Amino acid sequence: AQSVTQPDIHITVSEGASLELRCNYSYGATPYLFWYVQSPGQGLQLLLKYFSGDTLVQGIKGFEAEFKRSQSSFNLRKPSVHWSDAAEYFCAVAAGYSSASKIIFGSGTRLSIRP
Amino acid sequence: EAQVTQNPRYLITVTGKKLTVTCSQNMNHEYMSWYRQDPGLGLRQIYYSMNVEVTDKGDVPEGYKVSRKEKRNFPLILESPSPNQTSLYFCASSDRDSNSPLHFGNGTRLTVT
Repeated sequence: AQSVTQPDIHITVSEGASLELRCNYSYGATPYLFWYVQSPGQGLQLLLKYFSGDTLVQGIKGFEAEFKRSQSSFNLRKPSVHWSDAAEYFCAVAAGYSSASKIIFGSGTRLSIRP
Repeated sequence: EAQVTQNPRYLITVTGKKLTVTCSQNMNHEYMSWYRQDPGLGLRQIYYSMNVEVTDKGDVPEGYKVSRKEKRNFPLILESPSPNQTSLYFCASSDRDSNSPLHFGNGTRLTVT
């Protein structure tokens, strides 16, 4: 069965510093991978996704993620965080012929920004 | 504006009193789904629907019902709510195309006392 692990519950970084949020997945075939962001009081918004091809994917708001099959990881990165990046971030993996049919979310990482 | 609308945003009720949380999308999406979000557990899928009159259980369907009589609406029904159903609920929709992201509503915070 597919699963997603986000080992960091809460991370605090200084504004302007670089960021890396970790995500490890378990899935037998080639996964569909996603990162979503949830701002307070809001639903989730897609940051980026990986289906195939280039293992480094670019997303919105200056985020990128790298798929590493050998490590079963899909870590999210940003070179310089802004105070507005404070939010909760969810990694997700999908299976099946359609990514809409079964998506498993990680437990989330809450990001705080230090002024 | 393309959106998924959930109502109500907040709901406090008592054990056993039937309630319905509505969800409507205006993007003509075939796929709709309900999730609950609990601290430390992320989002867990309750039910999903691939099209009108086609629904299926997710990972935590016990205590919930859904219906999909129209493409745009996907209500979540709690026939006899219990305190362990206190949670933050999200509805989401997407095209069935595998490249389509999920569009989420803003959530419904339910408290069952």
